[in-house]
This record gives sequence, C-alpha cells and structure tokens, in this order.
Amino acid sequence: SQQGEEDPQALSIQEGENATMNCSYKTSINNLQWYRQNSGRGLVHLILIRSNEREKHSGRLRVTLDTSKKSSSLLITASRAADTASYFCADPGTSYGKLTFGQGTILTVHP
Amino acid sequence: DTAVSQTPKYLVTQMGNDKSIKCEQNLGHDTMYWYKQDSKKFLKIMFSYNNKELIINETVPNRFSPKSPDKAHLNLHINSLELGDSAVYFCASSNQQGANSPLHFGNGTRLTVT
Repeated sequence: SQQGEEDPQALSIQEGENATMNCSYKTSINNLQWYRQNSGRGLVHLILIRSNEREKHSGRLRVTLDTSKKSSSLLITASRAADTASYFCADPGTSYGKLTFGQGTILTVHP
Repeated sequence: DTAVSQTPKYLVTQMGNDKSIKCEQNLGHDTMYWYKQDSKKFLKIMFSYNNKELIINETVPNRFSPKSPDKAHLNLHINSLELGDSAVYFCASSNQQGANSPLHFGNGTRLTVT
C-alpha cells in the first residue's frame, strides 16, 4: 500500500449520519494532514495533527492519530449533503518538504 | 481574492505537441509545487520550488520542465506530449518549505492528449 492509504475507498451514508474514514501510513511522521476535494476542484486543507497529538477537533471534524499503529481516522459528525467529496490523508514521511497523498475515500452523503 | 490560480482549466491537444500550464499564487508563500492526479485520483508530487530554487524533482521525464520566474509563479512546460500525460495537474503553494505547512491548491488543469 502507498503512504497514507485510506479505507474505505468509498462510503455512502444518509444525511445526519456520521462518517468515519481511516488512513494508514508506513514511515515515521511529524504530522498527518487531511484534505477534501470536491468534484472538479483542488484539494482543500482540513486539519493537521502533529505526532505528539492524539486527537484534534475542528467544527464537525474529529481526527485521531495512533502513531503506534501508524494510523489516523477522520470522523465527520452529523454529515450534510455538502460533505460529499473525496477525502485524502497526507503524510510527509521522511522526505523533507514532500507530502505523500493516499488514494482517498469517496464520501457520498444522500439528502 | 487570495488564491492559487492556474490556467488553463482545460487543455486538449494532440500527441507530440508542446504545451504550458501557468500558476500564480498571491498568498506570499515561498514554496510552490506541481502535483499530477491520475484517473484513479492518485495524487503524486512532481516538483517543488522554494523561492525560485528547485527542491524536489520526482523522477519526472525531462519532457516536463518547470520554470519559476519569481516566487509567486511556477509554470510547467511539457514537450512532445504523450497519451500517458493525460491527467489533472495541480499547482500548490505553502508558507514554509517542509511538511508542517498545509498546502493550498489551485483548481487544476485537466490535460487531455489525443
């Protein structure tokens, strides 16, 4: 698997439900980042969690990081149709200045 | 508006042609990048420039030549286009070199080579 591999690849839920996406990475990191990509648009940064943090919140987003398992999760609570997008995790690995992205989770929220 | 803007948004061309994609950021960032996103949405870094200096070159064919006239601009020139070059190309910038700063992306250039 590539650096920052997301699971599941696709997720379909109803509005109001929570959505959880997982990410695994291979090397040591000093932070992990999550991005959203709407169809036909560029990626938008959502949240950055540092390696010494275990959990971080931003609005309806909650990110956790488990460095012992080399994994992270993104939870979107009370989802909305507007949350429909692809979500990517990205890690810097050991290469200075280079963010490596996973293949993303396609989230569809049905109204 | 402060943003990363890239032009054109769509580019359709024939094999063998040479084309350029332009990118400008007015965020005052020192570092700029080119990423390529394939049909499976896999996003891979191609180049990174810090203050006009090439920092990362990810084994990209030398048909691809980035040029940074100043730290606010990073253009991508592609010679002798091939079918496999078809993809969406994203420009991005960040405040600092290194991976602690979030990337700000443009909206992409969809390149189709026929």
